[in-house]
Amino acid sequence: GQNIDQPTEMTATEGAIVQINCTYQTSGFNGLFWYQQHAGEAPTFLSYNVLDGLEEKGRFSSFLSRSKGYSYLLLKELQMKDSASYLCAPMDSNYQLIWGAGTKLIIKP
Amino acid sequence: ETGVTQTPRHLVMGMTNKKSLKCEQHLGHNAMYWYKQSAKKPLELMFVYNFKEQTENNSVPSRFSPECPNSSHLFLHLHTLQPEDSALYLCASSQGLGQGADTQYFGPGTRLTVL
Repeated sequence: GQNIDQPTEMTATEGAIVQINCTYQTSGFNGLFWYQQHAGEAPTFLSYNVLDGLEEKGRFSSFLSRSKGYSYLLLKELQMKDSASYLCAPMDSNYQLIWGAGTKLIIKP
Repeated sequence: ETGVTQTPRHLVMGMTNKKSLKCEQHLGHNAMYWYKQSAKKPLELMFVYNFKEQTENNSVPSRFSPECPNSSHLFLHLHTLQPEDSALYLCASSQGLGQGADTQYFGPGTRLTVL
């Protein structure tokens, strides 16, 4: 079956760095997406990885290891507005996104 | 603003009512999606349309009926819903299926409450 595993909730301090891990099992693989979702709002696209390695985009970076079925999202210089849920979503062989339940990130001053 | 709009933003309906949710995308995309999001659960894909043709129906009860008159508009017709159907209904669009980096862009959602 297809499965996504990411922590339910994480807490970090403003200005710090946090890494949100995601492990996945899918039928085939066509890349992995990370989305940010603030409470009561729509998910917004953060990153897409299809090759192994690290993709950096400003304060956010995303890493992928296809052989390990593993990805992480790294957030630097945390700001209060980064408090949100972060959704890991690999794409399977049918080009469908398989969604995790998300990691709720709480930023404290 | 992602270029995907949804109306209404909030809807309260009784179990015997009939209502419709509307989604419109201004991105020139060819694929549109309906998702259901319940509290603390993963997004559930309901329906997928590609070039106005339905390509996916993930065992959704018949009380939910989608309609896609063109590539820019998507409707979800609701009738005789149950209280457990209360959720956030999200519409998304993407360039088209069968591509790897086919990023989905979401509308703001309709918060549905069934009494």
